[in-house]
Amino acid sequence: EDKVVQSPLSLVVHEGDTVTLNCSYEVTNFRSLLWYKQEKKAPTFLFMLTSSGIEKKSGRLSSILDKKELSSILNITATQTGDSAIYLCAALKSSGDKLTFGTGTRLAVRP
Amino acid sequence: GAGVSQSPRYKVAKRGQDVALRCDPISGHVSLFWYQQALGQGPEFLTYFQNEAQLDKSGLPSDRFFAERPEGSVSTLKIQRTQQEDSAVYLCASSRKRGDTQYFGPGTRLTVL
Repeated sequence: EDKVVQSPLSLVVHEGDTVTLNCSYEVTNFRSLLWYKQEKKAPTFLFMLTSSGIEKKSGRLSSILDKKELSSILNITATQTGDSAIYLCAALKSSGDKLTFGTGTRLAVRP
Repeated sequence: GAGVSQSPRYKVAKRGQDVALRCDPISGHVSLFWYQQALGQGPEFLTYFQNEAQLDKSGLPSDRFFAERPEGSVSTLKIQRTQQEDSAVYLCASSRKRGDTQYFGPGTRLTVL
């Protein structure tokens, strides 16, 4: 059975801190790893990672995939209160259809 | 449209009632997905459409759940004879084509009393 595991489950930091969120996967016919940010309800797309070792960046957020270790990390530098959310990672199979999600990491950034 | 839209945003049903949840995907997106998200959990796959064809319905929890996309655009998820365990947020996502990034709508929060 396909599985995606995220750690930590929750995290509390202060503004300005740097955080690293972890995601590991056991998925047959793996194609890509996606990161989403979920505030309120709709998951908002952050990154899609298909190639191992290539970092993707967007402002203060960056992410990288390690296919050898079957894992990915999401880094957020200089955190702000607006970064408070649940961060979800999901694995996409080569068939290109359904996503298998982890349970998410709940990040709280205190002022 | 600018994004995926879903309606209603909130639905309260009495146990045993039928409900219908609507999803309007991003214009031109071929693939459409339904997910169910229970409190404190990640979304779980329900079903997938490529245009009007339902290619995978392996995640539908029971035969009370039915989804359609008759014209390859708007989709409806119907739940018959709702049960308390159906209470969840139902998320719809669409992608330009198979394997592309999936963009999510705001979801419908269903509460079954």
